Amino acid sequence: EADIYQTPRYLVIGTGKKITLECSQTMGHDKMYWYQQDPGMELHLIHYSYGVNSTEKGDLSSESTVSRIRTEHFPLTLESARPSHTSQYLCASSPRTGREAFFGQGTRLTVV
Amino acid sequence: GESVGLHLPTLSVQEGDNSIINCAYSNSASDYFIWYKQESGKGPQFIIDIRSNMDKRQGQRVTVLLNKTVKHLSLQIAATQPGDSAVYFCAENMGGSNYKLTFGKGTLLTVNP
Repeated sequence: EADIYQTPRYLVIGTGKKITLECSQTMGHDKMYWYQQDPGMELHLIHYSYGVNSTEKGDLSSESTVSRIRTEHFPLTLESARPSHTSQYLCASSPRTGREAFFGQGTRLTVV
Repeated sequence: GESVGLHLPTLSVQEGDNSIINCAYSNSASDYFIWYKQESGKGPQFIIDIRSNMDKRQGQRVTVLLNKTVKHLSLQIAATQPGDSAVYFCAENMGGSNYKLTFGKGTLLTVNP
């Protein structure tokens, strides 16, 4: 069982609110990722980080932002939530030389 | 653009039968191909991977086959069990320091008792 945690698991929030989705891993992994997944669909990479103070945008454009101040922590922030942001957000991590990515349980976000 | 996709969106099998889940890819430069299993309400879990210079790899009850000629990947599950019911994704990455997984659409596997 991978040690990567996401909070909250479920979040319902009103339009225009600022939200931060938390992701923490205790494995000391250098690389961390955020994926967005709609029900029954594939995962789309929206942000990734190769280490502290390193963040890059992924393949799918997203209005969210991320930060990587500590190795174990990779929060995702939406400054002003909109209904189009409703989706599941999955955080993952992998070691520097590893091929396998370990995923958290996900945060299911609903913006009303 | 480059993409990874699956042939069948759903697959229903009887318990004890063998399951085969297929995947087509288009990026010839991918170094690794990986199968993930995602159960309802959970994040994807690694099942098995295969490097591009291999054509077959076996794990516990699972076998992955890679056909680079036709850019096709398959996951075979032997003696399928109800606990195998999940969505299965294939994914590819370029390897090296550029570790970014590109996922295809999933296949929902349902195992009937």
